[in-house]
Amino acid sequence: AQSVTQPDIHITVSEGASLELRCNYSYGATPYLFWYVQSPGQGLQLLLKYFSGDTLVQGIKGFEAEFKRSQSSFNLRKPSVHWSDAAEYFCAVGSNQAGTALIFGKGTTLSVSS
Amino acid sequence: GAVVSQHPSWVICKSGTSVKIECRSLDFQATTMFWYRQFPKQSLMLMATSNEGSKATYEQGVEKDKFLINHASLTLSTLTVTSAHPEDSSFYICSARQDPGYTEAFFGQGTRLTVV
Repeated sequence: AQSVTQPDIHITVSEGASLELRCNYSYGATPYLFWYVQSPGQGLQLLLKYFSGDTLVQGIKGFEAEFKRSQSSFNLRKPSVHWSDAAEYFCAVGSNQAGTALIFGKGTTLSVSS
Repeated sequence: GAVVSQHPSWVICKSGTSVKIECRSLDFQATTMFWYRQFPKQSLMLMATSNEGSKATYEQGVEKDKFLINHASLTLSTLTVTSAHPEDSSFYICSARQDPGYTEAFFGQGTRLTVV
C-alpha cells in the first residue's frame, strides 16, 4: 500500500536550535517527494521537492531535505529555527505517472519556544 | 510557479443547501485536478480525481452524489457539496497538475466551509 508516515505528531524546538522532521514512505513506483508547510487556516506552501539527482535538496526559508532510498526516508532539516517557522509540516509522495495524486502524511506540528 | 485560484476562500451555508467551490488554473492547462478535504489538525485526504471532460474518480468512502465534481475545461473544476450538513464542514483544497511536463502539483488557497 502507498503511504507516508510522519512519526512525530508534535515537536517543540527552541528558537535558534536545529530541526529535523522525519518522513518515511511506501510507494510502488519511483517516488517524487515533497515537503509542504501550512499555517493555520491557510493553504499549502511548497518548501522543496525531490524528483531525481542529488539526494540533498535545498528549499526555501533555509530548509533542506535528504532522500535516502535505502531507508525510504525524506527527512526535512533546518540548522536554525526561527519563531516564524512554527506551523504544520506535511510530507507527500507522488509520481510522474500522469494523473496521479499526492499522498500526504498526517503532518507534524512544529512549535518554537523562545 | 503556476497559480491555482480557488474561490470562495470561505463560505457559510445553511443545512440542506448546496454550495459550489471553484478551482481555476490561471496560467496553465490542468490535465488533472484533485480535491482534498482536511479536518482540523489533520492531514489532507484525497476525495476525488478529475480529468477534463471525464467523470471524476472518487476515493473509497466519498459519496459521489453528495460531492459533485465537474471538470468542464482544462482550467476549471468545480466541487458542489449538495444538501450540506454540519458534518460536511471542513477545509477543502483543490490541486492541479499538468501532464506531460509535470514538475509539481499546484494547490489552491483552500475553502473553509461551515454549515450551520
